[in-house]
Amino acid sequence: QSALTQPASVSGSPGQSITISCTGTSSDVGAYNFVSWYQQHPGKAPKLLIYEVSNRPSGVSNRFSGSKSGNTASLTISGLQAEDEADYYCSSYTSTNTRVFGGGTKLTVL
Amino acid sequence: QVQLVESGGGVVQPGGSLRLSCAASGFIFRNYGMNWVRQAPGKGLEWLAFIHYDGRIKYYADSVKGRSTISRDNSKNTVYLQMNSLRVEDTAVYYCAKGNRITATGPYDAFDIWGQGTMVTVSS
Repeated sequence: QSALTQPASVSGSPGQSITISCTGTSSDVGAYNFVSWYQQHPGKAPKLLIYEVSNRPSGVSNRFSGSKSGNTASLTISGLQAEDEADYYCSSYTSTNTRVFGGGTKLTVL
Repeated sequence: QVQLVESGGGVVQPGGSLRLSCAASGFIFRNYGMNWVRQAPGKGLEWLAFIHYDGRIKYYADSVKGRSTISRDNSKNTVYLQMNSLRVEDTAVYYCAKGNRITATGPYDAFDIWGQGTMVTVSS
């Protein structure tokens, strides 16, 4: 149950787009479309942004989008806003009936 | 509104036990799988356990398997996490989280509702 691999940090200026990658294996990300993404502001509970690779729950801005290719999933945030500064986590279902999270990525809006 | 409220955290000595509770409201609790996720101070999220909507199926992360038991009481809209043989490295904020698929049979669904978390500190 090794954690999925995410970059420790990414940054971008307001209005720009950024992409956060999430690399797993053929036993998790590569095997299932059960990849989800979460946003967490300091001291707060995580919030679901994307489920099943590319679906947005109601109420989540369409500036957030998800995709997957092989063993790597990606979260793209377009039109960066100051409020997007937060930690982002990916998660995947695994072949052993467990879930695994990525190590998290800190997004800084310059 | 849809809500999860955890309780039961606190300070416990290494080797001790604790039972966490998570009370749900605002949705049909008995229809959804439930999970526990923790976050050590300054660290990332770690999934711990899943329980099927009617309690028949349970899955655990290796880090807590054999030391923890997830259970639920659908008559009380509550899910529990019993933790035994606690270690210093179990110190974390513990969240319960609702799966987003009705009658999911495994932890393959996303977590659409989270509680505010309850802090567990394992220290002598």
